[in-house]
Amino acid sequence: IAGITQAPTSQILAAGRRMTLRCTQDMRHNAMYWYRQDLGLGLRLIHYSNTAGTTGKGEVPDGYSVSRANTDDFPLTLASAVPSQTSVYFCASSEQPVKGTGELFFGEGSRLTVL
Amino acid sequence: AQTVTQSQPEMSVQEAETVTLSCTYDTSENNYYLFWYKQPPSRQMILVIRQEAYKQQNATENRFSVNFQKAAKSFSLKISDSQLGDTAMYFCAFAGRSSGSARQLTFGSGTQLTVLP
Repeated sequence: IAGITQAPTSQILAAGRRMTLRCTQDMRHNAMYWYRQDLGLGLRLIHYSNTAGTTGKGEVPDGYSVSRANTDDFPLTLASAVPSQTSVYFCASSEQPVKGTGELFFGEGSRLTVL
Repeated sequence: AQTVTQSQPEMSVQEAETVTLSCTYDTSENNYYLFWYKQPPSRQMILVIRQEAYKQQNATENRFSVNFQKAAKSFSLKISDSQLGDTAMYFCAFAGRSSGSARQLTFGSGTQLTVLP
């Protein structure tokens, strides 16, 4: 089934540890995004990539990094996790970042708890 | 920067009745898109309905319809004949052109809707 796969689905992590959330899509979408979801705040954009080889910062990028080596993969790395990064993380994609509507297709989310 | 406001953190409705979720947004753009996404307990984000700002006609998808008031910057979602499966968090989202010429979505804080049997 075509779509976006995220891994892991859930993880508990000690503060200070490094963590990479994986995201793979098989829809050949140009643009990919990482959001975090927190109660009362909705979804906030962390980083995005309009096409393979390019990335950009969203609303809340501090403490996170991304890479886009190819069209399909868009990993999110927390270099040194802190408790405030406890959240549910969603990877998403859209077909055309410039000509498209902005409609997003989402993965199923990764729940991360930093202790 | 665009902002999206959902002023109702929680709502409830009796099964088979109609409920309206409100959303307002702030933008200086004239050409944009608006969305309602649904997030059931499964956590999956599901697109409910989409509205193009240049279209005056309100979008409709089966039991879901919107009341789009461009001048007032309002985009409410009406759910008719509510069903238990409609219980979910509903997010309003705005897609404008920030960061150069690419569209990005800005989300509201969400409205938790509970359909009561």
